[in-house]
Amino acid sequence: DAGVTQSPTHLIKTRGQQVTLRCSPKSGHDTVSWYQQALGQGPQFIFQYYEEEERQRGNFPDRFSGHQFPNYSSELNVNALLLGDSALYLCASSLVGTEYQETQYFGPGTRLLVL
Amino acid sequence: QKEVEQNSGPLSVPEGAIASLNCTYSDRVSQSFFWYRQYSGKSPELIMSIYSNGDKEDGRFTAQLNKASQYVSLLIRDSQPSDSATYLCAVNSQTGRRALTFGSGTRLQVQP
Repeated sequence: DAGVTQSPTHLIKTRGQQVTLRCSPKSGHDTVSWYQQALGQGPQFIFQYYEEEERQRGNFPDRFSGHQFPNYSSELNVNALLLGDSALYLCASSLVGTEYQETQYFGPGTRLLVL
Repeated sequence: QKEVEQNSGPLSVPEGAIASLNCTYSDRVSQSFFWYRQYSGKSPELIMSIYSNGDKEDGRFTAQLNKASQYVSLLIRDSQPSDSATYLCAVNSQTGRRALTFGSGTRLQVQP
């Protein structure tokens, strides 16, 4: 049973650049959520995709955008990178259900360093 | 007030003891609650979910939920050094929000 996969595992960028992170959900799952985790903090919700549409968005600027493909995989794009965007970016997949019973499973994450 | 609060720790317990991790949340309509374990440098791993008041047991882990007190806890029996990690409490409300709101985590150290 394939779990959630993410690529790349690590990434170094400079301020002002753009980055794309990728995620493939767990087999059988159709919903992908993205989180940002700064050092020493809990993950912060960025957005969630279902049926190729952004279903919900957290308190992140428009520099953060995403996409979901027909095979349920997803991309997170961040434009005009800031030093503060350095973090672990986590993808979580779930199977759509009653809204409060969607259990989310996390991938290994992409560690982004912005210099 | 933070939406989900946890004591950052570290919580230090001897091997074989019971570790008790606590979490409070502010959104009274929250319906689902999750505990994740995160080893240093790794991603969160789901331990348990709980939706109803009371206790839910899975192996050495017991989750306890009290919605009236807006309190959820995780007990780890017979703690092992391999349990040393950060434990994250996550909450999902029923009010159309599908996002998980996380606490900052409690760091647990199990001393051999």
